[in-house]
Amino acid sequence: NAGVMQNPRHLVRRRGQEARLRCSPMKGHSHVYWYRQLPEEGLKFMVYLQKENIIDESGMPKERFSAEFPKEGPSILRIQQVVRGDSAAYFCASSPWDRGYEQYFGPGTRLTVT
Amino acid sequence: DQQVKQNSPSLSVQEGRISILNCDYTNSMFDYFLWYKKYPAEGPTFLISISSIKDKNEDGRFTVFLNKSAKHLSLHIVPSQPGDSAVYFCAANPGDTDKLIFGTGTRLQVFP
Repeated sequence: NAGVMQNPRHLVRRRGQEARLRCSPMKGHSHVYWYRQLPEEGLKFMVYLQKENIIDESGMPKERFSAEFPKEGPSILRIQQVVRGDSAAYFCASSPWDRGYEQYFGPGTRLTVT
Repeated sequence: DQQVKQNSPSLSVQEGRISILNCDYTNSMFDYFLWYKKYPAEGPTFLISISSIKDKNEDGRFTVFLNKSAKHLSLHIVPSQPGDSAVYFCAANPGDTDKLIFGTGTRLQVFP
């Protein structure tokens, strides 16, 4: 299966801990996007990355959240000092370099903060 | 500030008939529009897209119509099948960045 891979699928963290979510794009895709879905809401854009570059982070909270897409390895969304309001489904998507609007999504990571 | 709106939270259609899902938007600068289908506990699945320079795009049972003057698009599924039961999201791309702006979704149920 050459689709977008995300792990873990489920993640439980206590308040104050760190959460790390990983995403491997589809083969041949160079752009990665992170979205968050709160219960009963649509997906909200967080950040858009290319290899070693953050292109658009206009949807990222100013504090505690960071993202990277290193030259080698998966993209990582890091949430420091998690709070209950961070509980959500986090989806990663990837796209071809020439059709950035055509995004293919992974299965998501469901983060629960206790 | 909800730039992409799906005003019907749910829709119920009989198998074999047409399903019509609607979406309204506020930003006339949106460049591309997309429809995604989502099953519980899975990621959204890309269905079909349309450029702002077109008014119709068809792919098998799925057709998307775009009415720019009304800032409205719709997804038609003909004929509807039970496997189409899912949440459908409309999304728009602003054009100056590759992010997508999603509506809140419409839950479609196709019954036998």
